[in-house]
Amino acid sequence: DGGITQSPKYLFRKEGQNVTLSCEQNLNHDAMYWYRQDPGQGLRLIYYSQIVNDFQKGDIAEGYSVSREKKESFPLTVTSAQKNPTAFYLCASSVAGNYEQFFGPGTRLTVL
Amino acid sequence: AQSVTQLGSHVSVSEGALVLLRCNYSSSVPPYLFWYVQYPNQGLQLLLKYTSAATLVKGINGFEAEFKKSETSFHLTKPSAHMSDAAEYFCAVRGSGGGADGLTFGKGTHLIIQP
Repeated sequence: DGGITQSPKYLFRKEGQNVTLSCEQNLNHDAMYWYRQDPGQGLRLIYYSQIVNDFQKGDIAEGYSVSREKKESFPLTVTSAQKNPTAFYLCASSVAGNYEQFFGPGTRLTVL
Repeated sequence: AQSVTQLGSHVSVSEGALVLLRCNYSSSVPPYLFWYVQYPNQGLQLLLKYTSAATLVKGINGFEAEFKKSETSFHLTKPSAHMSDAAEYFCAVRGSGGGADGLTFGKGTHLIIQP
């Protein structure tokens, strides 16, 4: 079955720690995205990548970092510089040049 | 700049009644528009999309939406609500960067179905 997997589903971390969220897709999509979702705020774009070894900042990139070493994988690191990291994080992918995005099940990060 | 406004953070309808969720957009390029549905603690699932073909778009689960350029609207409707329709609904517009720069989402509408 083709799709997007995110792990873990729930993640708890202490304040000041970096944490990495996993996103893997087997849809052979070129483009991948990370969004942050907060209650009543909709989804906001953190980073996106159109091809391997290239990525662009989205609207709220501060305090986050990404890598794209493989087409299938687009991990997101939430650094200690992110002031309010507790949120629901969604990964998505799309065919290059196609606007329709497919979403993973999300990771809920709680910073204690 | 791209923007999406969803009127009403919460909409409540009775089971069997018409569902109408409103979406207005602003776009600096010809708009491609999407409606997604999200069930609690899950990812987003595409309901339907408008990509400059027919202005009345039919989607999954009996939903449809009509693109009205003059009103910059893309409202979502369903003739008869079912309990299973209770969820969060998001309207989105494509970015202006030419293909892979993400979608701009509205803040969402929580649909409540009364028995």
